[in-house]
Amino acid sequence: DTGVSQNPRHKITKRGQNVTFRCDPISEHNRLYWYRQTLGQGPEFLTYFQNEAQLEKSRLLSDRFSAERPKGSFSTLEIQRTEQGDSAMYLCASSPQTGVKETQYFGPGTRLLVL
Amino acid sequence: DAKTTQPPSMDCAEGRAANLPCNHSTISGNEYVYWYRQIHSQGPQYIIHGLKNNETNEMASLIITEDRKSSTLILPHATLRDTAVYYCIALRTGNQFYFGTGTSLTVIP
Repeated sequence: DTGVSQNPRHKITKRGQNVTFRCDPISEHNRLYWYRQTLGQGPEFLTYFQNEAQLEKSRLLSDRFSAERPKGSFSTLEIQRTEQGDSAMYLCASSPQTGVKETQYFGPGTRLLVL
Repeated sequence: DAKTTQPPSMDCAEGRAANLPCNHSTISGNEYVYWYRQIHSQGPQYIIHGLKNNETNEMASLIITEDRKSSTLILPHATLRDTAVYYCIALRTGNQFYFGTGTSLTVIP
């Protein structure tokens, strides 16, 4: 399968713990995006990278959220000191183009439950 | 504010065409209209996109009005597997998609 992959698919953690999610984009896609989706809502943009550069991070929900893409390939999203309100689906997408015309391809998501 | 307006839910009989409308009256001249769908508990799946002209691919057709203020996604022969939430996207701030809440399509046997 050459699509976007995300690991783990499910994560249950206790409040206050740190969690890290991984996203592997489609090979040679230079842009990578993170979204969050809560129940009944559409995906909400968090941040994105072009290669290893994080070009937009103002939409990260708090300073507990951080993302990296150190070599311009896979990316990680970390949430520190998790709260129950962080329970959601975290989606990753990648795209090959730049500019106005841009198709993003999504992974299956990581579902986080904070107890 | 949401830049697209979609009905919250629709039903369609299996085998019939499903026509999903979207209003995007404030779309700018160089913004594309994208459609994605999301089947329960999966990531969004790309369907189709267009700028001015009507588009067709193996999944669907996209009809964009001449003034570009609205569009319709057409699934020509809906199957049960087409039951999903369908998102119309016409606002992209920077490179982020704004999904809204979409239309929940139920295909009825």
